[in-house]
Parts: sequence; structure tokens; C-alpha cells
Amino acid sequence: QSALTQPASVSGSPGQSITISCTGTSSDVGGYKYVSWYQQHPGRAPKLLIYDVSNRPSGVSNRFSGSQSGNTASLTISGLQAEDEADYYCSSYRSSGTFWVFGGGTKLTVL
Amino acid sequence: QVLLQESGPGLVKPSQTLSLTCTVSGDSISSSNFSWSWIRQHPGKGLEWIGYIYSRGNTFYNPSLKSRVSMSVDSSRNQFSLRLTSVTAADTAVYYCARGYGNTYSPTFDSWGQGTLVTVSS
Repeated sequence: QSALTQPASVSGSPGQSITISCTGTSSDVGGYKYVSWYQQHPGRAPKLLIYDVSNRPSGVSNRFSGSQSGNTASLTISGLQAEDEADYYCSSYRSSGTFWVFGGGTKLTVL
Repeated sequence: QVLLQESGPGLVKPSQTLSLTCTVSGDSISSSNFSWSWIRQHPGKGLEWIGYIYSRGNTFYNPSLKSRVSMSVDSSRNQFSLRLTSVTAADTAVYYCARGYGNTYSPTFDSWGQGTLVTVSS
């Protein structure tokens, strides 16, 4: 079964805001409020940034925010910083088959 | 603070069985209501959820791997394990163990192991 669809790459300058999209179907992203976002630096384990579409765990900067519209979830990073350069993955519950599915990942470059 | 640590062979021969263990510290597997998952990442690729297990032994596996996967819990050692049979080169990946937090359907992995690279090669 296919992964959720994310752009392969996005970029932005320090201080700017960027948004990463995560597109699925009504069987996953669009049908439930169960979308999470993860940040992964090279050689490191993923880190939870957002859960249940828009909730931030304690300790995660409020520069990270999540939203959802229809079959697309979005992660917005405001006030870009050099340390935000990483890979970002979305994940969703899927009612048919896989149960939990990830997006293909988006590489964020801070210019 | 909960910590997870994967352990197991880094090299497995084709057609053999991959076995990994995740040791949990800072939390008791048997006293918590969290799920415990295995997730893998092929070299240079994205994440793939393999399956989860609860301390009660309830499991759910990714249908794409279900015929080859099994998971178990050893509460006395505060560990959970993964077995993947009949491996091929396509199973070469970094394998992570992770704790699932919150709602049963929410893919909220709030704690991860550092990951362990398993290479399938003769």
C-alpha cells in the first residue's frame, strides 16, 4: 500500500516560515484526527513534533504547528533556524490495511 | 524519562530469521498502557511501520509483512522482541523500536531507540 504523499524537498531562509504538506485519502488523513509529524536529523532517530493533527508534546518549540484540511495535513515551521534542517515525516492512521502509514518524507533545507 | 535500546545481530544471511530485542528503561512495559512498535527505515528511504504489541500480548502487524513477522513481550526483563523470517536483501534497514502513546489509533511515537542497522547478506 502506498505511503502518504509529501513533497520531496522544501527550502527557506532563516526567519521565514515554510509549510510541508501530507496528502492522503478519506481512509487515512481525511477521515481521522490521527496525524503525527516527526523530525529526523541524519543518523538520528525520528523525534515527535506534532500528534493528533495539531498537538505539540511538551518540550517541542511552538514554532512548529500542525493543521488539517480535507485529505491534506500540514506542518508549518515559523522563524526558520539552521537546526531545523532535517527530514520531516508525517504519519496517519489508515482504516484499510496498514493501520499506521508514513509519508515518503520531506527534506528541509535552510538556505 | 523512558529509554529504548535495540539489540541483535547486525548481519543476517538470506532466508534466515532476523531477531531483535528492545530493552526499555524508565518505564515498566507491564504496568503501562502504551503500545510498543517496531519501525524500519531502508537506507536513504522513508519510514515503514512493522507492527505493535501491548504488554498483554495483543499484536497488530503491517499486512505487507504479516506472514513473516511475530512480536513478543518479556515483562520480567522489560523487553519486547521482533522476529522476521525468510529475510532477503530487501529487509536490509535500520530497525527502530518505539513507544506508542495515547489513543489506540494515533501514530504517536513519543520515545524511540537509537536504531540498529541490520544487513541481509551472505
